[in-house]
Amino acid sequence: DIQLTQSPSLLSASVGDRVTITCRASQGISNYLAWYQKKPGKAPKLLIYAASTLQSGVPLRFSGSGSGTEFTLTIGSLQPEDFATYFCQHLNNYPRTFGQGTKVEIK
Amino acid sequence: QVQLVQSGAEVKMPGASVKVSCKTSGYTFTDYHMYWVRQAPGQGLQCMGWMNPKSGDTNYAQKFQGRVTMTRDTSISTAYMELSSLISDDTAVYYCTREVGMNAFDIWGQGTMVTVSS
Repeated sequence: DIQLTQSPSLLSASVGDRVTITCRASQGISNYLAWYQKKPGKAPKLLIYAASTLQSGVPLRFSGSGSGTEFTLTIGSLQPEDFATYFCQHLNNYPRTFGQGTKVEIK
Repeated sequence: QVQLVQSGAEVKMPGASVKVSCKTSGYTFTDYHMYWVRQAPGQGLQCMGWMNPKSGDTNYAQKFQGRVTMTRDTSISTAYMELSSLISDDTAVYYCTREVGMNAFDIWGQGTMVTVSS
């Protein structure tokens, strides 16, 4: 199985900060990577797919990049509603695995 | 609009089985693979497997093989996930979600809390 390792696991930031989360795959996955936002009591929300394509309706402050084994999710200017946990996921083969998550908390 | 609506919370005894439903609307049920993903308290997201609603073919994660069964009823555009021989570690929120073109899981159900407790 492909392992995804996110860093950091916990990120403390302030409103307006630019934040970056990294996701590393244990083997090359081309651009078959998605990013999700998860809030307590809510279903995950798709933010980015194909490593860098913004899902419809997602604010432009979210962006993704990378290919192969290293990927990043960037939030250009953190907003109050962005405090949540973020997960990366690969779709290169089966099983589709997720990273362990990065919690973005208020500094 | 596209929606996945899941059945309600369940409390089960250890050793029992649970069956969760996922009723879809707003799209052609047989056009997209359906996945089941769970999140245990304080843990991450774990993919349990998928089903092709058109053929009924399934692919289960190794961890759940022998305990999970994914089925569907195309006449009512509904998918089901049954997990047997429940243990306390199966306490989690279970989500159904559809995969769009090997790119992502774009639509999710609201989640079903399954509690396993004696």
